[in-house]
Amino acid sequence: SQTIHQWPATLVQPVGSPLSLECTVEGTSNPNLYWYRQAAGRGLQLLFYSVGIGQISSEVPQNLSASRPQDRQFILSSKKLLLSDSGFYLCAWKGSFYGYTFGSGTRLTVV
Amino acid sequence: AQSVTQLDSQVPVFEEAPVELRCNYSSSVSVYLFWYVQYPNQGLQLLLKYLSGSTLVKGINGFEAEFNKSQTSFHLRKPSVHISDTAEYFCAVSDMDSSYKLIFGSGTRLLVRP
Repeated sequence: SQTIHQWPATLVQPVGSPLSLECTVEGTSNPNLYWYRQAAGRGLQLLFYSVGIGQISSEVPQNLSASRPQDRQFILSSKKLLLSDSGFYLCAWKGSFYGYTFGSGTRLTVV
Repeated sequence: AQSVTQLDSQVPVFEEAPVELRCNYSSSVSVYLFWYVQYPNQGLQLLLKYLSGSTLVKGINGFEAEFNKSQTSFHLRKPSVHISDTAEYFCAVSDMDSSYKLIFGSGTRLLVRP
């Protein structure tokens, strides 16, 4: 069966520090992968999506970047975090029949 | 471009009462529509989805939604809510022309009171 793993679950980072969040998918190949951010009390904003290895589409210009070094690995990064980067980050993949599955999320607090 | 509007940021309701959470979308092509639920500090769980066929879609936990193309709506309903239904509910839209991106509304917090 297909599963999606996202870590860490929580993270507290100082302003100006780097960031790396990882998402991996098991049980499928060549999935569409997505990174979303949910700011406190707000909806989900699509940040990046990828339809294949090395292919990244950015939805919102910002302090973040994404990479897909392997078929089932999707990484969200930042060189220098800002306070406004705080939020709940969710990874997702699109399976067959439009079954979008979400990871359990990472709660990032930038202090 | 796609967009989703959830007009109600919060809906308070008493236990065992019916509830409707509203969702309207805009898209220039055929769409696929979804409702997700999020419990505190958790990821998203799919409640139901409309891809094609019958406009009345039944999901988990007793929820259902009706696709209305003329009104571009996909409202979520439940005839009798429980305390455990208290959560954030998100409507989302996707279409083939946008690389299957899933675009979300701002969410509606359902607050069920005893």
